This record gives sequence, structure tokens and C-alpha cells, in this order.
Amino acid sequence: DIQMTQSPSSLSASVGDRITITCRASQSISKYLNWYQQTPGKAPQVLIYGASNLQSGAPSRFSGSGSGTDFTLTVSSLQPEDFATYYCQQTYRSPWTFGQGTKVEIK
Amino acid sequence: QVKLQESGPGLVKPSETLSLTCNVSDGAFSDYYWSWIRQPPGKGLEWVGFITDSGTFNYNPSLKNRVSISMGPSNNHFSLKLTSVTAADTAVYFCARELMVAAADTFGVRHYDHWGQGILITVSS
Repeated sequence: DIQMTQSPSSLSASVGDRITITCRASQSISKYLNWYQQTPGKAPQVLIYGASNLQSGAPSRFSGSGSGTDFTLTVSSLQPEDFATYYCQQTYRSPWTFGQGTKVEIK
Repeated sequence: QVKLQESGPGLVKPSETLSLTCNVSDGAFSDYYWSWIRQPPGKGLEWVGFITDSGTFNYNPSLKNRVSISMGPSNNHFSLKLTSVTAADTAVYFCARELMVAAADTFGVRHYDHWGQGILITVSS
């Protein structure tokens, strides 16, 4: 299975901050990488698909980049509703696998 | 707007079979991968498997042949069965719609665009 490793596992930030979350795959996955946001008690929602494509309806302050094994999710200016857990997911090879999650908390 | 809703018993005894159904409303059923994902309490996401309306399916090998996903029991439903459950199968189970979309430098990228709210299944005697 392809292992997905996110860093950091958690971070504290303030409203208005720019943050970056990293996801590393155990082998090359080209651009078959998605990012999801999950708030407590809710289902995840896709933000970015194909490493850098913003999902319709997702705020433009979210952006993704990378290819191969290294990927990043950037939030340009954190808003109160962005405090959540973020997961990367690879869909290059079955079984699909997720990163362990990055929890973004209020400083 | 398509909506998904999981249903099933909240409590299952060890060694028994977990059965869940997902109702899909207000949307087409073809051209999608109808999926199950689970999340143990306080932990991350695990892909369980999917089925298409044409009967194509794929399961997570980690579930060791205990899992099956099928269409039905009626139109616009799909179901999950997980046999010989243990406490390790305690989780929130989500059903989701997965689709493939065009994306640069790929042959098409799959991602989940609609999810159910999730249902907590506890395995306990």
C-alpha cells in the first residue's frame, strides 16, 4: 500500500495567518492527490483534487501544489471556519489511502 | 442536489455481521463509484471499498475478505456487509459518491464530492 504522511500532525495559528500543510507519499503518485477538510462531527469535504485543482465552491484562499511524492496545501489567510482537520488522499493506486490528518487549532 | 444517508443498527455483537445501507436521493446513479469509508473514534479515515451501477467493485485488502458491497436493496441504495466483526471495526461509517474528473497531467482524478453524515457503529457484547 502507498503510505501518506502528513506534517505537522497539528498546528496552532491565528485568524489571518498563512499556513502550509505537507503530505508525502511513500512512492510517486504523479498528481493523484486530494485534500479534504473535516470539522468535528461532520463528514470530510473535498477542497483540492488532482493536487492543485480547487473544488467548485471551495474558498479561493485554499491552494494546492506538488507532484510525485511531495505535496502542499496552503491557506493564504486563515478564517474562523478553517479551524478543522485536513487529510490528504492518494488515488493513484488501490487501495486508496489517507494521511493521518493535520489538526489546525486556534492559537 | 444529491444527498446520501446511511442507515443501520448502531450496535453489533462481536463475530456477527455489520449491515449498512446508503440511500442516494436527487441524483443519477450511473457514472459514479459508490463508496464506503470509515473512521474509528478519534482517528483517521480508512477506505473500505466501492461499487458501480454496472457491478464493478473493489475492496480494501486489509479487511481480509470480510467485506462486500452491493447495489440495493432497492433503487438508489447501496449496501455494505462486514462479517466477523471485532472491536477494531467500531467506527463512524460514511457512504460517499466518488467521481472521476479531468485534471492536468493525469488520466482523470477520482475524489469524493458528496458524503453522508456518517453513522457510528459500535461492536460490543
